[in-house]
Amino acid sequence: LAKTTQPISMDSYEGQEVNITCSHNNIATNDYITWYQQFPSQGPRFIIQGYKTKVTNEVASLFIPADRKSSTLSLPRVSLSDTAVYYCLVVNTNAGKSTFGDGTTLTVKP
Amino acid sequence: DVKVTQSSRYLVKRTGEKVFLECVQDMDHENMFWYRQDPGLGLRLIYFSYDVKMKEKGDIPEGYSVSREKKERFSLILESASTNQTSMYLCASSLPGTSNEKLFFGSGTQLSVL
Repeated sequence: LAKTTQPISMDSYEGQEVNITCSHNNIATNDYITWYQQFPSQGPRFIIQGYKTKVTNEVASLFIPADRKSSTLSLPRVSLSDTAVYYCLVVNTNAGKSTFGDGTTLTVKP
Repeated sequence: DVKVTQSSRYLVKRTGEKVFLECVQDMDHENMFWYRQDPGLGLRLIYFSYDVKMKEKGDIPEGYSVSREKKERFSLILESASTNQTSMYLCASSLPGTSNEKLFFGSGTQLSVL
């Protein structure tokens, strides 16, 4: 499974757009890129998944360049409630198991 | 709404005890997983299961076993609990082989082994 690297922590202010980048240099052809959000004392929650180019849902956007060796999670206009740990995963749907990295702790300040 | 339920939110056990952590999902998912989460170490996969009576070792299976007798239930067993197994345990489930595969997690069980 491809290893992921993402910043340990990030700070932002309410109303700003936040971009969290994840590198996954060894991503394989069958791998998808998936992001999860985790609040304290809760299990992680799926945010978004993509294979290439751009994916957008009601929560976030995911940008994946052509070489797929990195990806960027974009959170528009964050609020205090977006303070959480964000995990980038590379998922091989044939293998069926997901390996979590260390995650990025996002702190949104008023 | 999808649901993964872990039987206990908090659990305190003594060293050497046999511990059962239960997880039930109501989504008819084939895949189920057990992770542990420790400060500074992130989530680490202990065991997973693709189907009833099937099990696969994850990254840190030592000291653990699992049981999957029914599709909706996946149990994690600590045969003889030790203090280094004090941790947050998270159960998850997913549908296999889809292009939109995603994990659904329970709220976790905080286990303390004294």
